[in-house]
Formats: sequence, C-alpha cells, structure tokens
Amino acid sequence: GENVEQHPSTLSVQEGDSAVIKCTYSDSASNYFPWYKQELGKRPQLIIDIRSNVGEKKDQRIAVTLNKTAKHFSLHITETQPEDSAVYFCAASYGYGGSQGNLIFGKGTKLSVKP
Amino acid sequence: EAGVTQSPTHLIKTRGQQATLRCSPISGHTSVYWYQQALGLGLQFLLWYDEGEERNRGNFPPRFSGRQFPNYSSELNVNALELEDSALYLCASSLGAQHFGDGTRLSIL
Repeated sequence: GENVEQHPSTLSVQEGDSAVIKCTYSDSASNYFPWYKQELGKRPQLIIDIRSNVGEKKDQRIAVTLNKTAKHFSLHITETQPEDSAVYFCAASYGYGGSQGNLIFGKGTKLSVKP
Repeated sequence: EAGVTQSPTHLIKTRGQQATLRCSPISGHTSVYWYQQALGLGLQFLLWYDEGEERNRGNFPPRFSGRQFPNYSSELNVNALELEDSALYLCASSLGAQHFGDGTRLSIL
C-alpha cells in the first residue's frame, strides 16, 4: 500500500523567511496530493492540492511542486507570518471517477514562525 | 453552508465497552471518510463510504466498523474498546477535496 514520508518533523523560521516541507510517496498510482494545516485544537484545513498532471501550483504565498518521476512533492510558504504557525500534513491518494479516494498522510511538520 | 458536523464532541468509555461516533457530511457530498488521529501518530485512514457502500478500509481490526445511511450521514462503531483506541476521530466528506469536521475525542479509561 501507499506510504508517505514527510520531513522535517519540526521547522522553526523567522517571520518573513520561507519554509519548505518535503514529502515522498511510494505508490506510483497516486495522483492527488493535498496539503492540510492543523492549528492546535482545530480541524485539519485544506490549504492547497495538486493533481499528477500538474507540476506546480501557486496560491498567494503558498506553492506546491510535484516531481512524479522522483515521487516527491513539496510545500513552499514564502514571507511567513506568525499565523502560519501550525502542523502541516501532506497526503497522497489514488482518485478515480469523481472521487479522490482515501488519503494516506505523512506524520506532519510542526512549523513555528518567530516574530 | 454548514460544514461537516460530528457528535459527540467528547466521549469517555471504559475498556471493553462499545462506542458510536456520528458524522453528517456537507450537503451534497456523497463520500464520507473516517480517520484516527492518535497523539504523535498523525492521521490514519480508517474507513471510506460512498453511496452507502464501504469502498475501502485501513489497517485496523474488524472491531472498527461503520455504515453510511441513505442521507449520506455515517456512524463509526468501535467494539471491545482498548486503551490504545484513545484518540481524536475525524470525519471528512467530499465531492472532490476532503473537508474535515472538528472530530470526536474518545477517551478510554
């Protein structure tokens, strides 16, 4: 089955710096890769996702890149702000029809942005 | 538009008891997913229901089961509770991307 590895487990940056979180997946059939942000005591929230037919996607300060050959995808946050502090999870799934299928998650990265 | 709602918020049980957790998806969403978030273990996939049928299950014992009703709401049942079942149980619904509820915190004493 699919296995997703996520690094680093903790990341501390200064406000205004960039943050990069990396994930690798094992199943070459996976074709959907979302990223979730989970603040303490709150539900995971989808922040960006990418499908395997796209190499890069950007939404304001957040971008995700996908390398299908290497089975590797990354989250990039630019101009970090204290409110970006949270645990970030990457995930992978095989979607078909109208469904994205069940997600297999990485173990999470705790991002701390210091003012 | 109402989000995914889960009940109860908290549930306290003792070893060997049975627990039932409930989830109402976003209106129009036909797929419901259940995940377990135990401390330090991230989110582990439990069960996926779509159109009333179980589509896939994760690597959990058979005492974890559930169902989806005609209105697409779902319940997760955990029998013969063990201490290690203490976790936050998250439900997500989707028509494409998955959106999560706030979860049910299950504590086993």
